[in-house]
Amino acid sequence: EAQVTQNPRYLITVTGKKLTVTCSQNMNHEYMSWYRQDPGLGLRQIYYSMNVEVTDKGDVPEGYKVSRKEKRNFPLILESPSPNQTSLYFCASTLTGQLGQPQHFGDGTRLSIL
Amino acid sequence: AQSVTQPDIHITVSEGASLELRCNYSYGATPYLFWYVQSPGQGLQLLLKYFSGDTLVQGIKGFEAEFKRSQSSFNLRKPSVHWSDAAEYFCAVGISGGYNKLIFGAGTRLAVHP
Repeated sequence: EAQVTQNPRYLITVTGKKLTVTCSQNMNHEYMSWYRQDPGLGLRQIYYSMNVEVTDKGDVPEGYKVSRKEKRNFPLILESPSPNQTSLYFCASTLTGQLGQPQHFGDGTRLSIL
Repeated sequence: AQSVTQPDIHITVSEGASLELRCNYSYGATPYLFWYVQSPGQGLQLLLKYFSGDTLVQGIKGFEAEFKRSQSSFNLRKPSVHWSDAAEYFCAVGISGGYNKLIFGAGTRLAVHP
């Protein structure tokens, strides 16, 4: 089954404790991205990757890092999480970075930073 | 700057009633437009998309949307709502810039009364 898998689904942690949210897709997609969803703001893009070793900032990249060492994986790293990063996070992928392709979303990761 | 506005934060309808969710966008060029649905605890699922051609597009689950360039709108409609349609709905515009970027509206949460 074609899917985007995120782990963990839920995490409660404390300020400053490094964490990684993993994202993996099994569709051989080139393009992957991370979004955060906040009430009243919809989804905002954090980082995206056009292909292996090619990443770039989205609209709200501060406080986040990403890497793309393999085509299927695109982890989101919070090196020193803060309470304002408490949010619902989604990973998404498309076959290529061509404009207009519908994105396949994971089921989300709810992070709470205390 | 590009933006998407969904004027209604919450909408409640009775089962069997018709539904229209509003979406207005701001974008200088011809937009790529999408509607996504998010069920509780799940990721976003594509309902329908508009790129060009017929301004009335059909989607999954009996939804349709109409693109009106003169009004910068892309409203989502369904003639008869089912209880399973209760979810959050997001309108999004795909913008050019060398990669597949989406700008999302803030979302409309739909409740369905029996």
